Amino acid sequence: GAVVSQHPSWVICKSGTSVKIECRSLDFQATTMFWYRQFPKQSLMLMATSNEGSKATYEQGVEKDKFLINHASLTLSTLTVTSAHPEDSSFYICSARDLRTAYNEQFFGPGTRLTVL
Amino acid sequence: AQSVTQPDIHITVSEGASLELRCNYSYGATPYLFWYVQSPGQGLQLLLKYFSGDTLVQGIKGFEAEFKRSQSSFNLRKPSVHWSDAAEYFCAVGREGNMLTFGGGTRLMVKP
Repeated sequence: GAVVSQHPSWVICKSGTSVKIECRSLDFQATTMFWYRQFPKQSLMLMATSNEGSKATYEQGVEKDKFLINHASLTLSTLTVTSAHPEDSSFYICSARDLRTAYNEQFFGPGTRLTVL
Repeated sequence: AQSVTQPDIHITVSEGASLELRCNYSYGATPYLFWYVQSPGQGLQLLLKYFSGDTLVQGIKGFEAEFKRSQSSFNLRKPSVHWSDAAEYFCAVGREGNMLTFGGGTRLMVKP
């Protein structure tokens, strides 16, 4: 089955630093990946759609200059949280769309917990 | 705009009892519907999905869900709950571009 990995699984950083999170599709090529954010005890909110070889599409209210997305290959998308602040602390989950499946299903990574001190 | 409502934030059931988690959606076209489960600190695992056809869908771990167009519902059921089923459950609807809109989630607790 389709497998999506994320790295790191957790990260702690100081306020003002940048953090990069990787999302990889391990056994399929993904032209489209999605980045979600989940606050404690809340649902997943779509942040952006990452398209291979083109600019990401951000949801309303998401700062594109703060959350940089790069989808440079068919198996890798990265999310960089720039100048992180404590309010950026959250659980970040990616998903990848598998075009081999019916209705182009999304498969989710295990998530990355970001804590900004 | 599409939306998903899970009316129950928390549900507690006894082990061995039956379970039904409610999900209502609002979507202009025929929806793609999903149920996911999330254990603490983990990602999402797909339990089952509905795209078309038979409105009663079987999933993993003994779960099933029934799509009722007239009620705009896609409720998740399990006849006998196990302690390991304690988790957060999310209903989601697929929309244009295959993007998913998630409900607020239902936290299931299982009493021994």
